[in-house]
Amino acid sequence: DVKVTQSSRYLVKRTGEKVFLECVQDMDHENMFWYRQDPGLGLRLIYFSYDVKMKEKGDIPEGYSVSREKKERFSLILESASTNQTSMYLCASSSGQNHYGYTFGSGTRLTVV
Amino acid sequence: DQQVKQNSPSLSVQEGRISILNCDYTNSMFDYFLWYKKYPAEGPTFLISISSIKDKNEDGRFTVFLNKSAKHLSLHIVPSQPGDSAVYFCAASGNNDMRFGAGTRLTVKP
Repeated sequence: DVKVTQSSRYLVKRTGEKVFLECVQDMDHENMFWYRQDPGLGLRLIYFSYDVKMKEKGDIPEGYSVSREKKERFSLILESASTNQTSMYLCASSSGQNHYGYTFGSGTRLTVV
Repeated sequence: DQQVKQNSPSLSVQEGRISILNCDYTNSMFDYFLWYKKYPAEGPTFLISISSIKDKNEDGRFTVFLNKSAKHLSLHIVPSQPGDSAVYFCAASGNNDMRFGAGTRLTVKP
């Protein structure tokens, strides 16, 4: 069963900490994405990558960075966590055209205190 | 700038009846439209899609309708079942860009 795996389901971090969210896919997909989901705002794109070592800013990249050293792994980094980054974070991958939809991970619920 | 809008945050229907979820978009460059379903504590899963060259796509109990002139699409679920209770996201795709709506929480009552 193909899937996207996010390393943590729940995380609690302190303000100012550096936070790493890991995502691994086993479908050999070229494209990988990081979204955050907030009530009333839907899914907002943080960063995406179409190839290894390639990254592009999405709609809300401020306060985040990413790393893609291997095709199957896409990491989201919160350089200095703040309370307004408390959210559900979703990783997704896709192959080629978007017509086939994205495969999402189960999400990481991050709370910054 | 929300390019994809789902104006109803929630919808409640009786089991066996029809559920209609609506979505509007603003960008004429979108050429593919998708619906995702999300249960609590899980990631969204792809449900059904439609190309801009079609006006209807059906898959079992799920049908998506597209009205390009109105920039509007809808998802019909017939008959609705309690297991359909979830958040439904509308998405629009074009030029390697995909935009999501805010979601509609569907509750199907037994």
